[in-house]
Amino acid sequence: KAGVTQTPRYLIKTRGQQVTLSCSPISGHRSVSWYQQTPGQGLQFLFEYFSETQRNKGNFPGRFSGRQFSNSRSEMNVSTLELGDSALYLCASSLEAGSETQYFGPGTRLLVL
Amino acid sequence: AQTVTQSQPEMSVQEAETVTLSCTYDTSESDYYLFWYKQPPSRQMILVIRQEAYKQQNATENRFSVNFQKAAKSFSLKISDSQLGDAAMYFCAYRSPLSNFGNEKLTFGTGTRLTIIP
Repeated sequence: KAGVTQTPRYLIKTRGQQVTLSCSPISGHRSVSWYQQTPGQGLQFLFEYFSETQRNKGNFPGRFSGRQFSNSRSEMNVSTLELGDSALYLCASSLEAGSETQYFGPGTRLLVL
Repeated sequence: AQTVTQSQPEMSVQEAETVTLSCTYDTSESDYYLFWYKQPPSRQMILVIRQEAYKQQNATENRFSVNFQKAAKSFSLKISDSQLGDAAMYFCAYRSPLSNFGNEKLTFGTGTRLTIIP
């Protein structure tokens, strides 16, 4: 069974632009979570989606948003990019909402210049 | 809110030896899940082992085992017969119980970088 896939793997943007990252969960998994990883803040939870609904949201500004489609694929969007948004964005999928184990994708590395 | 602490930023071990990585956590919940994830240079986060708090028996997965001390809120990872491929960043993570609706996110520690010496 294929793992979690994320596209693109690498991205370079400039301040003020917006970006959309995509995540396809493991087949049959219906819950998708997003995390931001930076050297300074470590791994921080962004949000979780299940059945196209956001179930949980971390402490990030409104510039960070996401959505989930009927096939469980998820996208996250960051508008008005700031230098501090440079990070590795990790997507994780789990079988159901609240399932105890999350499986991670390879991540998207975003660099904001 | 739950917190996870990994007090060892870096560890090293000789190949074929045993190493233990430490993790402590703080929570007021009685039921929860604990995980160790491994992040090699590829940055892919890989699940190493999982422990349910309601289980007294320590989890094991081949060369990996945990020492789960619920009262002490301690969750250490033991790697036996260390191999070069074990070199990675190791993260301890906490997840609230399924009954804590809408709050089942993973809370991570800051990580321990493990180096394997040939």
